Amino acid sequence: KAGVTQTPRYLIKTRGQQVTLSCSPISGHRSVSWYQQTPGQGLQFLFEYFSETQRNKGNFPGRFSGRQFSNSRSEMNVSTLELGDSALYLCASSLAQGGSTEAFFGQGTRLTVV
Amino acid sequence: DAKTTQPTSMDCAEGRAANLPCNHSTISGNEYVYWYRQIHSQGPQYIIHGLKNNETNEMASLIITEDRKSSTLILPHATLRDTAVYYCIVRVSRAAGNKLTFGGGTRVLVKP
Repeated sequence: KAGVTQTPRYLIKTRGQQVTLSCSPISGHRSVSWYQQTPGQGLQFLFEYFSETQRNKGNFPGRFSGRQFSNSRSEMNVSTLELGDSALYLCASSLAQGGSTEAFFGQGTRLTVV
Repeated sequence: DAKTTQPTSMDCAEGRAANLPCNHSTISGNEYVYWYRQIHSQGPQYIIHGLKNNETNEMASLIITEDRKSSTLILPHATLRDTAVYYCIVRVSRAAGNKLTFGGGTRVLVKP
């Protein structure tokens, strides 16, 4: 069974640009969550999508957005990039069908803003 | 979700058991204890979780105190590949919501 796939693995962008990151969850998983990891702030929750609807959102500015498609694949977008957006962006998928469900993470996309 | 407290770092000898403590004194009755680890430059990896009873799987054992205010993750025979940051997380498990709140974790160094 394939794991969570994130593309691209590495990305370099210039301040002011926008970027779109992609996440393909494990087959059958309907929940996709996004996290940002930086040396200073650690791992921080961005948002979660379930059945194409955002159902949880972290404390990030509106420049950070996402969406989920009918096949559960998800994208996140960051507009007007700032130097501080340089980070490892991680996607996690889970079954999300009641009870206790573990999340499975991808390898992440390392974004560098210059 | 309840806050957790973990030691910042710890060393362990290869082949010995590694016992990683976690305090979660404000845990609620419907909150589970989850453990994840993150090996350098990789995404976090699920290890184990539990509610009240002790749990064991192929990776580790989880011991939860009777009052549920603390827990210990046990890696029975640590190997060099177990060097990682280990995160203890407590969260409510429900169908609506899979947000994980990560703290600083414990940086575990397994030494030969």
